[in-house]
Amino acid sequence: AQTVTQSQPEMSVQEAETVTLSCTYDTSESNYYLFWYKQPPSRQMILVIRQEAYKQQNATENRFSVNFQKAAKSFSLKISDSQLGDTAMYFCAFMKHNQGGSEKLVFGKGTKLTVNP
Amino acid sequence: GAVVSQHPSRVICKSGTSVKIECRSLDFQATTMFWYRQFPKQSLMLMATSNEGSKATYEQGVEKDKFLINHASLTLSTLTVTSAHPEDSSFYICSASFPGNTEAFFGQGTRLTVV
Repeated sequence: AQTVTQSQPEMSVQEAETVTLSCTYDTSESNYYLFWYKQPPSRQMILVIRQEAYKQQNATENRFSVNFQKAAKSFSLKISDSQLGDTAMYFCAFMKHNQGGSEKLVFGKGTKLTVNP
Repeated sequence: GAVVSQHPSRVICKSGTSVKIECRSLDFQATTMFWYRQFPKQSLMLMATSNEGSKATYEQGVEKDKFLINHASLTLSTLTVTSAHPEDSSFYICSASFPGNTEAFFGQGTRLTVV
């Protein structure tokens, strides 16, 4: 079974600064996907960024980037130029690869990020 | 982008009654839908996986007879909480997907309060 661990229950950052959220995972799968989801107070789940395990290059989406270390099973999220709207719960998630179907997401416990003005 | 609509967004029901939550994929055919439960300040826990036209697969510890899932069409899955009790009060979220797709599309969630 896969497990996802987020060791930082809460973090805070000043507006315009950079913050890194940590995530580690455990799996015996060789092909899988990793995600960071944002859940603002509205509780709508929003995909922030996705990483395919077979890709060595770290994914980036505007101010969001990841540091994917496959051997260490680490998948951290870096948020640059933090904005007040980034305040939310952030969940790291794992999905194993399934050629012909859809797979479930396994979530970490989440990190509550507060961006201070 | 793919849109998943979940209804209702909030519901209050009396203890002992049943409540149905709908999850619809509006612009794609969802062969698989997932139902999650989220307690306050906690993570999402998968309750069950439903595939269109077949019985749902429940996670260990989830009561099948209490949480009835029906996925009768490629655009609609329903979760019925039967004989609800206050401990069933929670936030329920669905997500939908289709074969070969690695992104899960989430509904807005349903806050259930049992009084």
